[in-house]
Amino acid sequence: EPEVTQTPSHQVTQMGQEVILRCVPISNHLYFYWYRQILGQKVEFLVSFYNNEISEKSEIFDDQFSVERPDGSNFTLKIRSTKLEDSAMYFCASIGQNYGYTFGSGTRLTVV
Amino acid sequence: DAKTTQPTSMDCAEGRAANLPCNHSTISGNEYVYWYRQIHSQGPQYIIHGLKNNETNEMASLIITEDRKSSTLILPHATLRDTAVYYCIVRVAWGNQGGKLIFGQGTELSVKP
Repeated sequence: EPEVTQTPSHQVTQMGQEVILRCVPISNHLYFYWYRQILGQKVEFLVSFYNNEISEKSEIFDDQFSVERPDGSNFTLKIRSTKLEDSAMYFCASIGQNYGYTFGSGTRLTVV
Repeated sequence: DAKTTQPTSMDCAEGRAANLPCNHSTISGNEYVYWYRQIHSQGPQYIIHGLKNNETNEMASLIITEDRKSSTLILPHATLRDTAVYYCIVRVAWGNQGGKLIFGQGTELSVKP
């Protein structure tokens, strides 16, 4: 069964550093998403991406965040200057024709 | 966005059917009901979705009331591996596809031996 692949599985970074989280969505999917989940809290929507541009973003997705699909297969989330409160699980997802989202297994980001 | 209401937690005996209820009284006519589950901080896993008819797949059945204001997810023979948080989500319609998912707190299902 096709999977959404995320790397790395765990990233530790110092406050103020830039991080790039990587995702490889399912190849024939067209819509891509990033969600995050702070420990013990709900899964929160960050951003959706379609046709090489952001289609919707949440209040969380401020100027410190950016997304891109640099090569037609990878889908990345960049946090320019990480804060302690950015520590969370970050999930990439894509959606196919059957309207069912497929989520990756996540990247655990720890900001110290 | 339509909101959903689910019990915070439920227990189920292994091998028995798990029936997880969800209320979505403000659902719009073109919004689907989706069910996902999350096993211990893994990525949410799609289970099933429906618009107004009952649906069944290899994982579960979805029963939607005629007025569409509530639904029930049925795991016919729960196993210990079904222990997870189950989310009932009404998908925000957005064009022909897409649309973010808005997760609530979900129902924490514990399947016990």
